[in-house]
Amino acid sequence: GENVEQHPSTLSVQEGDSAVIKCTYSDSASNYFPWYKQELGKRPQLIIDIRSNVGEKKDQRIAVTLNKTAKHFSLHITETQPEDSAVYFCAASITGGFKTIFGAGTRLFVKA
Amino acid sequence: NAGVMQNPRHLVRRRGQEARLRCSPMKGHSHVYWYRQLPEEGLKFMVYLQKENIIDESGMPKERFSAEFPKEGPSILRIQQVVRGDSAAYFCASSLREEDGYTFGSGTRLTVV
Repeated sequence: GENVEQHPSTLSVQEGDSAVIKCTYSDSASNYFPWYKQELGKRPQLIIDIRSNVGEKKDQRIAVTLNKTAKHFSLHITETQPEDSAVYFCAASITGGFKTIFGAGTRLFVKA
Repeated sequence: NAGVMQNPRHLVRRRGQEARLRCSPMKGHSHVYWYRQLPEEGLKFMVYLQKENIIDESGMPKERFSAEFPKEGPSILRIQQVVRGDSAAYFCASSLREEDGYTFGSGTRLTVV
């Protein structure tokens, strides 16, 4: 089955700096890669996603890149703000494969 | 649209009791997923259901756990004879199509004492 590894487990940056979170997946059939943000005590929320037919997607300060050959995908947050502090989860799934597998999460701290 | 509704938000059960967790998906969503999250850990898949069908229950323990999504009413995750190790946050999510991202509910935090 699919396995998703996520690094780093903890990331601390200064406000205004960039943050990068990296994930790898094992099943080459995976073709959908969402990212979720979970604030303390709250529900995970979908913040951006990418499908296998594109290599990069951007939404304001957030961008995701996908390298299907290497089975890597990454989340990039630019100009970080304290409200970006949360746990971020990457995930992978196969259309029609019934379930999404999540990485273990990255706890991001943005210091003011 | 009220989003994915889970109740109760918090549930305390004594060892050996039963826990029933309810989830109403977003309006129009027919795909329901249950995930378990232990403190400081990720989201572990448990089960995927559509109306009246269990599609994939590969992440659910074989004993004591069951799930259903009846034709009418919410999806139910049932844990019989709870043990301390069942203490966790249980999140339900729904999607419009199988290939879409999830909308999560607020979760049910189960504490077994």
